[in-house]
Amino acid sequence: DPKIIQKPKYLVAVTGSEKILICEQYLGHNAMYWYRQSAKKPLEFMFSYSYQKLMDNQTASSRFQPQSSKKNHLDLQITALKPDDSATYFCASSQGHNERLFFGHGTKLSVL
Amino acid sequence: GQQVQQSPASLVLQEGENAELQCNFSTSLNSMQWFYQRPGGSLVSLFYNPSGTKHSGRLTSTTVIKERRSSLHISSSQTTDSGTYLCALELSGSFNKLTFGAGTRLAVCP
Repeated sequence: DPKIIQKPKYLVAVTGSEKILICEQYLGHNAMYWYRQSAKKPLEFMFSYSYQKLMDNQTASSRFQPQSSKKNHLDLQITALKPDDSATYFCASSQGHNERLFFGHGTKLSVL
Repeated sequence: GQQVQQSPASLVLQEGENAELQCNFSTSLNSMQWFYQRPGGSLVSLFYNPSGTKHSGRLTSTTVIKERRSSLHISSSQTTDSGTYLCALELSGSFNKLTFGAGTRLAVCP
């Protein structure tokens, strides 16, 4: 029974389009994150949120916009998609700072 | 340069053998975490270990801050241990911003 739900599991998009990746956690955590794993590259940090406030942003492009409508939601909107955006996007959460992270199963995005 | 280096890059074991996976880092850190990435891609948290030794079943994690290294020991390996093991460090002054190593890909043969 997954406690961090990511939707969809797989996503195919055309170059230039816009997609929203959904993430909800039911662990009662206060902090949520997005990480990305591209082919043959290590997982890389994108954003961290705590109590729905942006804590850190390592994504240079404004095409990536996190959206937090509730404490247990952190969606990721990606606009003007490019083939280089193809990757698996992982949502994660933790109780707070200096706590272990728990990851969702990921959304595999392919941009054609 | 690379802040987190894992070794070996890959490892093949016979079932029942032990394994020692290494993670070396080049900067000061808040914490070290170990994850298991299933062949299907999902990540499982194994340890949150900023320093010292922690045990969980057949797994042991040891982090030595002064020597800038952390290790993951797997005893009596099983075929179900096959997958990729990732270490990740949280840099000092960051908010759970983890920097991941490239991983050790483990294959355990029956």
